[in-house]
Amino acid sequence: GAVVSQHPSRVICKSGTSVKIECRSLDFQATTMFWYRQFPKQSLMLMATSNEGSKATYEQGVEKDKFLINHASLTLSTLTVTSAHPEDSSFYICSAHSAEKLFFGSGTQLSVL
Amino acid sequence: GQNIDQPTEMTATEGAIVQINCTYQTSGFNGLFWYQQHAGEAPTFLSYNVLDGLEEKGRFSSFLSRSKGYSYLLLKELQMKDSASYLCAVRDGGSYIPTFGRGTSLIVHP
Repeated sequence: GAVVSQHPSRVICKSGTSVKIECRSLDFQATTMFWYRQFPKQSLMLMATSNEGSKATYEQGVEKDKFLINHASLTLSTLTVTSAHPEDSSFYICSAHSAEKLFFGSGTQLSVL
Repeated sequence: GQNIDQPTEMTATEGAIVQINCTYQTSGFNGLFWYQQHAGEAPTFLSYNVLDGLEEKGRFSSFLSRSKGYSYLLLKELQMKDSASYLCAVRDGGSYIPTFGRGTSLIVHP
């Protein structure tokens, strides 16, 4: 299957700082990537759809100024959590489509102190 | 919108068979996925059903009935490593992005 790489796998940061998470499609081009957030024992919640060369589409209730998404190339999308607060602590996962299937990155566990 | 329902937790014995059910209500239907997720890791793809019937892939099989809004994932010859969360995800007719259920936590014990 297709490979999606996500980095870093774990981040611990102080409240008020910004954190950037990278998502790369390694063996295919992805014009669209998706960013999910998952709280413990909860489902994956779609945050936004990242579109190469254009603005991201955010789901209802997700602040676009807080969760900045950039999709500058066909293989890279980044999610920046700006001015992170403890309530932003969560597991963030990116994904991309290939041949009708959704493939996921390894996830980033963000802990904001 | 979509409503996806699956049991929160199931337990089974090593070597046994377990069936995890998923029911859904969607406006249109364009495919159902099953993913496996170990704690702290990203989901991994297990199966994709778009037509009615049973899809078998090794120890795992997935069944779909579109008229009933129902699917199940069947795991045979359970192994301890099968302990994980199993996510049912449905794609409705208007989107290519699936919506995920809460997941079923499967605990396999000796």
